[in-house]
Amino acid sequence: GAGVSQSPRYKVAKRGQDVALRCDPISGHVSLFWYQQALGQGPEFLTYFQNEAQLDKSGLPSDRFFAERPEGSVSTLKIQRTQQEDSAVYLCASSLSARRGQWQPQHFGDGTRLSIL
Amino acid sequence: SQQGEEDPQALSIQEGENATMNCSYKTSINNLQWYRQNSGRGLVHLILIRSNEREKHSGRLRVTLDTSKKSSSLLITASRAADTASYFCAHSGGGADGLTFGKGTHLIIQP
Repeated sequence: GAGVSQSPRYKVAKRGQDVALRCDPISGHVSLFWYQQALGQGPEFLTYFQNEAQLDKSGLPSDRFFAERPEGSVSTLKIQRTQQEDSAVYLCASSLSARRGQWQPQHFGDGTRLSIL
Repeated sequence: SQQGEEDPQALSIQEGENATMNCSYKTSINNLQWYRQNSGRGLVHLILIRSNEREKHSGRLRVTLDTSKKSSSLLITASRAADTASYFCAHSGGGADGLTFGKGTHLIIQP
């Protein structure tokens, strides 16, 4: 498709389980971002990739959160030993930016709504 | 944590009226962007204003930026029911790669 695709759209997991969230960015987009959005709040930055390189992971809340983009296209956000406070919408965005700090509009997927029971 | 604030948090107006939302931020910025988010969907980029610009127009949208006050405003003229959504300002800069978003303004356009 033409836009950013995220799967699954909804994920319910029990506390302590591991989850994996997938993002398919727009073809050719170099930059990929993950954000976490709590209910009624704005998105909060988690991590940034330029191609396969993870250049910024300063927003990851703990070492239970891990992201990868091994071939520079599809990305996976993994959360280990999930906790209730991990419940949120996880948004992926991509942009054409090839240079750090050279800003282009970010194109967002519809997100994965994660609920931890 | 988020570094921006929008006000009002919620705004309800009649179709055809103008809607104004404000945004404040705390750090130095390279640019400021406004995004719209419909319920259950991702964010859609509306407009970007660079730090050396003071005003920008795009269709029914008008954005202003006052870097001395660290504030921006988004004006939507002649509002339509389809404008009902949450609106977020976001900025880059300060060394971070990702965008820093405000808490958003939830806009409701009454038909």
